[in-house]
Amino acid sequence: AQTVTQSQPEMSVQEAETVTLSCTYDTSENNYYLFWYKQPPSRQMILVIRQEAYKQQNATENRFSVNFQKAAKSFSLKISDSQLGDTAMYFCAFMKHGSNYKLTFGKGTLLTVNP
Amino acid sequence: DAGVIQSPRHEVTEMGQEVTLRCKPISGHNSLFWYRQTMMRGLELLIYFNNNVPIDDSGMPEDRFSAKMPNASFSTLKIQPSEPRDSAVYFCASSSETTGVAFFGQGTRLTVV
Repeated sequence: AQTVTQSQPEMSVQEAETVTLSCTYDTSENNYYLFWYKQPPSRQMILVIRQEAYKQQNATENRFSVNFQKAAKSFSLKISDSQLGDTAMYFCAFMKHGSNYKLTFGKGTLLTVNP
Repeated sequence: DAGVIQSPRHEVTEMGQEVTLRCKPISGHNSLFWYRQTMMRGLELLIYFNNNVPIDDSGMPEDRFSAKMPNASFSTLKIQPSEPRDSAVYFCASSSETTGVAFFGQGTRLTVV
């Protein structure tokens, strides 16, 4: 079974600074997806970024980028130029490629951006 | 597309009553997931369907919980009888196998008193 571990229950960062959230996972699969989701106080789950395991290039979405280390089974999220609106719970998630596979989440990291 | 639609947004019910949560997935998506979120346990996968067929229901806490997906555009999660410990936010999500991206509904906040 796949497991996803987020070792930082809470983090804080000053506005405009950069912060990195950690995620590790355990799988014997070679082809899979990794995701970061954001859940602000509104409780809506919002996709932040997606990485396909077969792609060596790290995914980037504006201020959000990942450091994907497949051999180490590590998938960290870097937020640059942090904004107050980035305050949220961040979840790392794993899904095997193809159909009939479930989406497994880590326990989340609560990020607070301070003014 | 309006996204994943869940109803109701909030539900308050008395212990012992039946509760039915509803979900309309995004058109064209072939996987549907039901999650439960609590402070203590985080996001728990209850059950997921692929092409309307339940694939894994190992996360369903007990026989009081049941889920159905009679067609590609509708799913229900039923709790009968409900108990105070069932109080949580219940999310429905759908995805397509071509992207793997799961889109979530707004969630149903269930309170059992």
